[in-house]
Amino acid sequence: KNQVEQSPQSLIILEGKNCTLQCNYTVSPFSNLRWYKQDTGRGPVSLTIMTFSENTKSNGRYTATLDADTKQSSLHITASQLSDSASYICVGYGANNLFFGTGTRLTVIP
Amino acid sequence: SQTIHQWPATLVQPVGSPLSLECTVEGTSNPNLYWYRQAAGRGLQLLFYSVGIGQISSEVPQNLSASRPQDRQFILSSKKLLLSDSGFYLCAWANLSSYNEQFFGPGTRLTVL
Repeated sequence: KNQVEQSPQSLIILEGKNCTLQCNYTVSPFSNLRWYKQDTGRGPVSLTIMTFSENTKSNGRYTATLDADTKQSSLHITASQLSDSASYICVGYGANNLFFGTGTRLTVIP
Repeated sequence: SQTIHQWPATLVQPVGSPLSLECTVEGTSNPNLYWYRQAAGRGLQLLFYSVGIGQISSEVPQNLSASRPQDRQFILSSKKLLLSDSGFYLCAWANLSSYNEQFFGPGTRLTVL
């Protein structure tokens, strides 16, 4: 069964701290994995897209990793800011289908 | 650059009333278009997608329908809304590529009372 699971479901961190969000996927055939950031009441915005041959990709303070062998991905946020408060959604793409995780709700507090 | 618009941003409708949500894309031609629904605490659910004018594929049986009267216009409709139709509706577009990267609109918050 194709699915994407994310953990934790929610996370609260202090401003300036780092955090890592996890994503486990079972998507076959697998093409790529992307991370989206969704502010409350807004549409998701793409952060990174990674194919199975890419291990890591950065976008500013966001760094995504991908382990195609264990089918795991992580999104690391460095030096968090209040504006990082959002839901982060992991999405696996394969066979012309997208499989969405339910997201991790991140709250950054001052 | 490409932009995607959705309206209205929020909508409150009584049960049994009709629905029409509109999505338009600018700055690209012949995009694939998608309608998603996002329920609280759940992942995005694909409702419809379209690869061209008049071509609609439905992913989930429901009382919603979609139409694509123009290349860059995608409409989500219902003749009679149900309480369960409440949710956050997102339109997205993508150009054909190996990545199939999708770009989402701002969304419409629908509340059915």
